[in-house]
Amino acid sequence: QKEVEQDPGPLSVPEGAIVSLNCTYSNSAFQYFMWYRQYSRKGPELLMYTYSSGNKEDGRFTAQVDKSSKYISLFIRDSQPSDSATYLCATTGGYQKVTFGTGTKLQVIP
Amino acid sequence: DVKVTQSSRYLVKRTGEKVFLECVQDMDHENMFWYRQDPGLGLRLIYFSYDVKMKEKGDIPEGYSVSREKKERFSLILESASTNQTSMYLCASSLQPYTDTQYFGPGTRLTVL
Repeated sequence: QKEVEQDPGPLSVPEGAIVSLNCTYSNSAFQYFMWYRQYSRKGPELLMYTYSSGNKEDGRFTAQVDKSSKYISLFIRDSQPSDSATYLCATTGGYQKVTFGTGTKLQVIP
Repeated sequence: DVKVTQSSRYLVKRTGEKVFLECVQDMDHENMFWYRQDPGLGLRLIYFSYDVKMKEKGDIPEGYSVSREKKERFSLILESASTNQTSMYLCASSLQPYTDTQYFGPGTRLTVL
Protein backbone atom coordinates (compact mmCIF):
# COMPACT_ATOMS: atom_id res chain seq x y z
CA GLN A 1 0.00 0.00 0.00
CA LYS A 2 1.31 3.43 -0.93
CA GLU A 3 1.72 5.85 1.94
CA VAL A 4 -0.26 8.51 0.06
CA GLU A 5 -2.98 7.67 -2.45
CA GLN A 6 -4.35 10.21 -4.91
CA ASP A 7 -6.74 9.77 -7.82
CA PRO A 8 -4.80 10.72 -10.97
CA GLY A 9 -7.83 12.03 -12.82
CA PRO A 10 -8.01 13.74 -15.20
CA LEU A 11 -10.77 15.81 -13.71
CA SER A 12 -12.58 18.10 -16.10
CA VAL A 13 -14.97 20.79 -14.81
CA PRO A 14 -16.69 23.87 -16.25
CA GLU A 15 -15.47 27.31 -15.27
CA GLY A 16 -17.05 28.47 -12.01
CA ALA A 17 -17.49 24.97 -10.58
CA ILE A 18 -16.40 23.93 -7.11
CA VAL A 19 -13.56 21.45 -7.35
CA SER A 20 -12.75 18.86 -4.71
CA LEU A 21 -9.37 17.13 -4.80
CA ASN A 22 -8.60 14.38 -2.31
CA CYS A 23 -5.86 12.20 -0.90
CA THR A 24 -5.72 9.46 1.66
CA TYR A 25 -2.68 8.50 3.69
CA SER A 26 -1.76 5.54 5.83
CA ASN A 27 0.83 6.77 8.34
CA SER A 28 -0.77 8.20 11.48
CA ALA A 29 2.51 9.97 12.30
CA PHE A 30 1.98 12.43 9.45
CA GLN A 31 1.36 15.89 10.91
CA TYR A 32 2.17 18.36 8.14
CA PHE A 33 0.05 18.49 5.01
CA MET A 34 0.71 20.38 1.82
CA TRP A 35 -0.80 20.92 -1.59
CA TYR A 36 1.49 21.74 -4.50
CA ARG A 37 0.31 22.96 -7.89
CA GLN A 38 2.25 22.04 -11.00
CA TYR A 39 1.60 23.72 -14.32
CA SER A 40 2.57 21.93 -17.50
CA ARG A 41 6.34 21.94 -18.10
CA LYS A 42 7.00 23.64 -14.74
CA GLY A 43 8.11 22.50 -11.31
CA PRO A 44 5.59 22.17 -8.46
CA GLU A 45 4.94 25.21 -6.27
CA LEU A 46 3.44 25.26 -2.80
CA LEU A 47 -0.22 26.24 -2.75
CA MET A 48 -1.44 25.41 0.76
CA TYR A 49 0.18 24.24 4.01
CA THR A 50 -1.61 22.96 7.10
CA TYR A 51 -0.51 21.44 10.37
CA SER A 52 -2.57 18.68 12.01
CA SER A 53 -6.35 18.57 11.58
CA GLY A 54 -8.65 21.37 10.54
CA ASN A 55 -9.31 23.79 7.72
CA LYS A 56 -7.23 26.53 6.18
CA GLU A 57 -8.57 29.04 3.71
CA ASP A 58 -6.69 31.24 1.26
CA GLY A 59 -8.82 33.11 -1.23
CA ARG A 60 -10.66 30.58 -3.40
CA PHE A 61 -8.71 27.67 -1.93
CA THR A 62 -9.52 25.68 1.20
CA ALA A 63 -7.37 22.86 2.54
CA GLN A 64 -8.97 20.39 4.90
CA VAL A 65 -7.36 17.65 6.96
CA ASP A 66 -9.25 14.93 8.81
CA LYS A 67 -6.67 12.96 10.76
CA SER A 68 -9.27 10.56 12.17
CA SER A 69 -9.99 9.24 8.69
CA LYS A 70 -6.55 10.09 7.26
CA TYR A 71 -8.13 12.19 4.54
CA ILE A 72 -6.76 15.37 2.93
CA SER A 73 -8.84 17.62 0.71
CA LEU A 74 -8.36 20.74 -1.39
CA PHE A 75 -11.41 22.70 -2.45
CA ILE A 76 -11.32 25.31 -5.19
CA ARG A 77 -14.27 27.67 -5.39
CA ASP A 78 -15.23 29.53 -8.58
CA SER A 79 -12.69 27.57 -10.56
CA GLN A 80 -10.91 29.39 -13.39
CA PRO A 81 -9.15 28.15 -16.54
CA SER A 82 -5.91 29.33 -14.91
CA ASP A 83 -6.46 26.67 -12.22
CA SER A 84 -5.85 23.98 -14.86
CA ALA A 85 -2.81 22.14 -13.53
CA THR A 86 -1.76 19.01 -11.71
CA TYR A 87 -2.30 19.14 -7.95
CA LEU A 88 -0.07 17.09 -5.67
CA CYS A 89 -0.80 16.42 -2.05
CA ALA A 90 2.21 15.92 0.23
CA THR A 91 2.74 15.05 3.85
CA THR A 92 5.40 14.39 6.46
CA GLY A 93 5.65 13.53 10.14
CA GLY A 94 8.22 16.25 10.58
CA TYR A 95 11.30 14.09 11.02
CA GLN A 96 11.36 12.25 7.74
CA LYS A 97 11.14 12.98 4.05
CA VAL A 98 8.07 14.48 2.49
CA THR A 99 5.87 11.91 0.76
CA PHE A 100 4.04 13.12 -2.33
CA GLY A 101 0.87 11.82 -3.93
CA THR A 102 0.95 11.00 -7.62
CA GLY A 103 -1.03 14.13 -8.53
CA THR A 104 -4.49 14.84 -9.93
CA LYS A 105 -4.69 16.57 -13.29
CA LEU A 106 -7.40 19.24 -13.35
CA GLN A 107 -8.80 20.93 -16.42
CA VAL A 108 -11.18 23.87 -16.08
CA ILE A 109 -13.09 24.45 -19.29
CA PRO A 110 -14.09 28.05 -20.17
CA ASP B 1 11.83 35.34 -4.73
CA VAL B 2 13.53 32.00 -4.35
CA LYS B 3 14.94 30.83 -7.57
CA VAL B 4 16.01 27.30 -8.37
CA THR B 5 17.54 26.79 -11.78
CA GLN B 6 18.43 23.60 -13.57
CA SER B 7 21.12 23.40 -16.22
CA SER B 8 19.00 21.95 -19.02
CA ARG B 9 15.29 21.74 -19.81
CA TYR B 10 15.70 18.86 -22.25
CA LEU B 11 18.52 16.37 -22.58
CA VAL B 12 19.00 13.37 -24.85
CA LYS B 13 21.74 10.89 -24.01
CA ARG B 14 22.78 7.43 -25.13
CA THR B 15 22.85 4.30 -22.99
CA GLY B 16 26.09 4.04 -21.04
CA GLU B 17 26.89 7.74 -21.11
CA LYS B 18 27.75 9.61 -17.93
CA VAL B 19 25.18 12.35 -17.36
CA PHE B 20 25.42 15.41 -15.14
CA LEU B 21 22.35 17.36 -14.07
CA GLU B 22 23.06 20.58 -12.24
CA CYS B 23 20.90 22.62 -9.92
CA VAL B 24 21.56 26.04 -8.42
CA GLN B 25 19.54 27.89 -5.78
CA ASP B 26 19.96 31.50 -4.77
CA MET B 27 18.35 31.58 -1.31
CA ASP B 28 21.15 30.20 0.85
CA HIS B 29 19.10 27.09 1.66
CA GLU B 30 20.80 24.33 3.60
CA ASN B 31 18.72 21.55 2.08
CA MET B 32 18.56 20.45 -1.52
CA PHE B 33 16.76 17.53 -3.12
CA TRP B 34 16.71 15.55 -6.35
CA TYR B 35 13.47 13.85 -7.41
CA ARG B 36 12.33 12.04 -10.48
CA GLN B 37 8.75 12.30 -11.64
CA ASP B 38 7.09 9.56 -13.65
CA PRO B 39 3.43 9.13 -14.65
CA GLY B 40 1.55 7.06 -12.10
CA LEU B 41 4.49 7.06 -9.70
CA GLY B 42 4.59 10.70 -8.72
CA LEU B 43 7.64 12.36 -7.20
CA ARG B 44 10.22 9.98 -5.84
CA LEU B 45 13.22 11.16 -3.85
CA ILE B 46 16.59 10.11 -5.23
CA TYR B 47 18.97 11.92 -2.88
CA PHE B 48 18.96 14.87 -0.60
CA SER B 49 21.70 16.99 0.90
CA TYR B 50 21.40 18.83 4.21
CA ASP B 51 24.75 20.59 4.06
CA VAL B 52 27.80 20.97 1.85
CA LYS B 53 29.36 17.58 1.21
CA MET B 54 26.58 15.88 3.22
CA LYS B 55 24.04 13.65 1.53
CA GLU B 56 21.46 11.02 2.27
CA LYS B 57 19.92 8.39 0.04
CA GLY B 58 16.29 8.75 -0.80
CA ASP B 59 13.90 6.06 -1.97
CA ILE B 60 15.54 5.25 -5.31
CA PRO B 61 19.29 6.02 -5.21
CA GLU B 62 20.41 3.05 -7.32
CA GLY B 63 22.20 4.15 -10.47
CA TYR B 64 22.64 7.72 -9.23
CA SER B 65 25.18 9.69 -7.25
CA VAL B 66 25.28 13.31 -6.14
CA SER B 67 27.78 16.03 -5.44
CA ARG B 68 27.49 19.15 -3.32
CA GLU B 69 30.74 21.07 -3.24
CA LYS B 70 29.11 24.48 -2.69
CA LYS B 71 26.00 25.36 -0.74
CA GLU B 72 24.12 26.72 -3.73
CA ARG B 73 24.87 23.89 -6.15
CA PHE B 74 23.67 20.28 -6.10
CA SER B 75 24.51 17.93 -8.94
CA LEU B 76 22.93 14.61 -9.86
CA ILE B 77 25.13 12.15 -11.71
CA LEU B 78 24.02 9.16 -13.72
CA GLU B 79 27.21 7.10 -13.86
CA SER B 80 26.07 4.97 -16.79
CA ALA B 81 22.72 6.05 -18.16
CA SER B 82 20.12 3.41 -18.90
CA THR B 83 16.79 3.61 -20.70
CA ASN B 84 14.87 3.15 -17.45
CA GLN B 85 16.33 6.45 -16.27
CA THR B 86 14.35 8.31 -18.91
CA SER B 87 12.28 10.66 -16.77
CA MET B 88 11.60 14.19 -15.58
CA TYR B 89 14.17 15.22 -12.98
CA LEU B 90 13.28 17.92 -10.49
CA CYS B 91 15.57 19.72 -8.10
CA ALA B 92 14.28 21.47 -4.98
CA SER B 93 15.63 23.41 -2.03
CA SER B 94 14.28 24.33 1.38
CA LEU B 95 15.30 26.09 4.57
CA GLN B 96 14.35 23.22 6.88
CA PRO B 97 14.67 19.62 5.67
CA TYR B 98 11.24 18.17 6.34
CA THR B 99 8.59 20.68 7.31
CA ASP B 100 9.48 23.68 5.21
CA THR B 101 8.28 24.66 1.76
CA GLN B 102 10.26 23.07 -1.00
CA TYR B 103 11.06 25.33 -3.95
CA PHE B 104 11.36 23.46 -7.19
CA GLY B 105 13.27 24.13 -10.36
CA PRO B 106 11.58 23.83 -13.77
CA GLY B 107 12.78 20.27 -14.30
CA THR B 108 14.99 18.48 -16.82
CA ARG B 109 13.33 16.07 -19.23
CA LEU B 110 16.00 13.39 -19.78
CA THR B 111 15.66 10.85 -22.56
CA VAL B 112 18.11 7.95 -22.68
CA LEU B 113 18.21 6.17 -26.03
